[in-house]
Amino acid sequence: DTAVSQTPKYLVTQMGNDKSIKCEQNLGHDTMYWYKQDSKKFLKIMFSYNNKELIINETVPNRFSPKSPDKAHLNLHINSLELGDSAVYFCASSQELYGGGTDTQYFGPGTRLTVL
Amino acid sequence: GEDVEQSLFLSVREGDSSVINCTYTDSSSTYLYWYKQEPGAGLQLLTYIFSNMDMKQDQRLTVLLNKKDKHLSLRIADTQTGDSAIYFCAEGGFKTIFGAGTRLFVKA
Repeated sequence: DTAVSQTPKYLVTQMGNDKSIKCEQNLGHDTMYWYKQDSKKFLKIMFSYNNKELIINETVPNRFSPKSPDKAHLNLHINSLELGDSAVYFCASSQELYGGGTDTQYFGPGTRLTVL
Repeated sequence: GEDVEQSLFLSVREGDSSVINCTYTDSSSTYLYWYKQEPGAGLQLLTYIFSNMDMKQDQRLTVLLNKKDKHLSLRIADTQTGDSAIYFCAEGGFKTIFGAGTRLFVKA
């Protein structure tokens, strides 16, 4: 049973297109996250949702719009894709927003986005 | 601002100990973490340490925390080829800040 799943695993698209990445967690967690990992493997938080409410928005362009239809899902929609959007996007979840220690984040396998 | 720094590469021989170092800036972090990322996979939590502890041992892993110097290290004893991966240091608080990752290469 996959705890945090993302689809698609790979996404290749042209500049200017609009695309979505989906994330689902079956852990019953209240908090979900989106991270971007660039080519140098640097991992940066983009968004955090707690109980479907946006909590963290880290100066991400307006072209990125997260949507949380319910606590188990956090989708990422990207408009007008640019070359610099090419990266691996990781979804993660944790029980609580301010938790720590054993309340760790569980990561999905990642979605490798390539913009041509 | 918050920042977590790690050296980018470490190469060791199989059977030796590996020590991966990290420095962080946010002294209010309650927890500090080590995550492992294998090729093509997401991050997995290896271990964590509460900020009021100096050391934590978990089988082959030893975490040392010097809170005064804001220095965290991860020691892997008897390093195996399966330990080859990227290791991320992270500090947790309101949001988790990750370092750039240390690529560990284990030579047979």
